[in-house]
Amino acid sequence: QVQLQESGPGLVQPSGTLSLTCAVSGGSISSSNWWSWIRQSPGKGLEWIGEIYLPGSPKYHPSLKSRVTISVDKSKNQFSLKLSSVTAADTAVYYCARNGEPCYFDCWGQGTLVTVSS
Amino acid sequence: QSALTQPASVSGSPGQSITISCTGTSSDVVNYNLVSWYQQHPGKAPKLMIFEGSKRPSGVSDRFSGSKSGNTASLTISGLQAEDEGDYYCCSYADSTTYVFGTGTKVTVL
Repeated sequence: QVQLQESGPGLVQPSGTLSLTCAVSGGSISSSNWWSWIRQSPGKGLEWIGEIYLPGSPKYHPSLKSRVTISVDKSKNQFSLKLSSVTAADTAVYYCARNGEPCYFDCWGQGTLVTVSS
Repeated sequence: QSALTQPASVSGSPGQSITISCTGTSSDVVNYNLVSWYQQHPGKAPKLMIFEGSKRPSGVSDRFSGSKSGNTASLTISGLQAEDEGDYYCCSYADSTTYVFGTGTKVTVL
């Protein structure tokens, strides 16, 4: 059974870059063509950040597109998120997830809290 | 791209049925039969409960069912149990190849 685990710094300076990695275990990252990042601000709802399509290019939420990069490393069975020019509004629990086809998220990581603060 | 609209809270007694609505637009719910529903317990990751509007993943109780009419998708929980307490979110595929989540509904079992 595929499991996902997010990792990365829990504290990022304002205007810095948030970097997270999602390790896929219990199966191959090629078990799905699509993998996503989703976040949840404290006490708030869920927000889709973007997804990586293994054979091709990533897709991003329009409001974050200028600041987001999602990439994949098949050799390490993991994919990554970079979010630049962060502010306090980017403080959230960040989840990685596997996309089912079509268009749902059937496996989630436990989530990791990233706080943007000096 | 606005979040889908859900009621902030819904409650019911054990054994009763409740329905959570999820209202969207022609950019998402109306034009795509691709609504999914997630259950989230405090401090935990969301769990997929319904996909493609009405399909249940393996292992999800048949007390959970989904439907859609016009611009509103719905999740019904039958035979409400204490373990069903938590937050529920809908999600729809949307124009511009993106996803939009609902505002979330807190379910309370009285």
